[in-house]
Amino acid sequence: DAGVIQSPRHEVTEMGQEVTLRCKPISGHDYLFWYRQTMMRGLELLIYFNNNVPIDDSGMPEDRFSAKMPNASFSTLKIQPSEPRDSAVYFCASSSHGGNTDTQYFGPGTRLTVL
Amino acid sequence: GDSVTQMEGPVTLSEEAFLTINCTYTATGYPSLFWYVQYPGEGLQLLLKATKADDKGSNKGFEATYRKETTSFHLEKGSVQVSDSAVYFCALSPHPQGGSEKLVFGKGTKLTVNP
Repeated sequence: DAGVIQSPRHEVTEMGQEVTLRCKPISGHDYLFWYRQTMMRGLELLIYFNNNVPIDDSGMPEDRFSAKMPNASFSTLKIQPSEPRDSAVYFCASSSHGGNTDTQYFGPGTRLTVL
Repeated sequence: GDSVTQMEGPVTLSEEAFLTINCTYTATGYPSLFWYVQYPGEGLQLLLKATKADDKGSNKGFEATYRKETTSFHLEKGSVQVSDSAVYFCALSPHPQGGSEKLVFGKGTKLTVNP
């Protein structure tokens, strides 16, 4: 099992540019989560999906952030336009309802730097 | 709302020392409780969990007991190793069976173990 795959692993961009982060969940998992981690705010849940449908996006900081899950094996988190305060590590996680339902499996993260 | 409070770090110990990282929670109902570990440069991994009062989760020499009366889930290890150096996160799932829905994380405690 390849685990949760995220790309890119590192992204450096300039303020105002569009940034797209990508995630491939573990095959068969029906929940997908996007988190943001910073020193100041710790680990924050941004949005999560169940069966490709967004369930709770209350953690999305503002309209500049959007997330999609067009199919069960792919999700994107987009920031447009990006700002320096968006610099953080963004994690994607997936889990399965049924069996070991509580365990979320995290990807390695994307480190975003906005200059 | 639901919340998790864990002791602030960083924690620095010598190899073979005893480790305790305190975690308390606030939740309505009967949550599931978790400890996740994040090694440098990696995503979070589930370390152990407990789904009901008085349950003890254990893994890799780490233990934590779900104490409903004190709303606590303290992490302990009798003899730490250099390889245990990481950031440890306490978390809860508001639903008794977890349900793969969103987790509420504490801010994390950084542990450094010196040889």
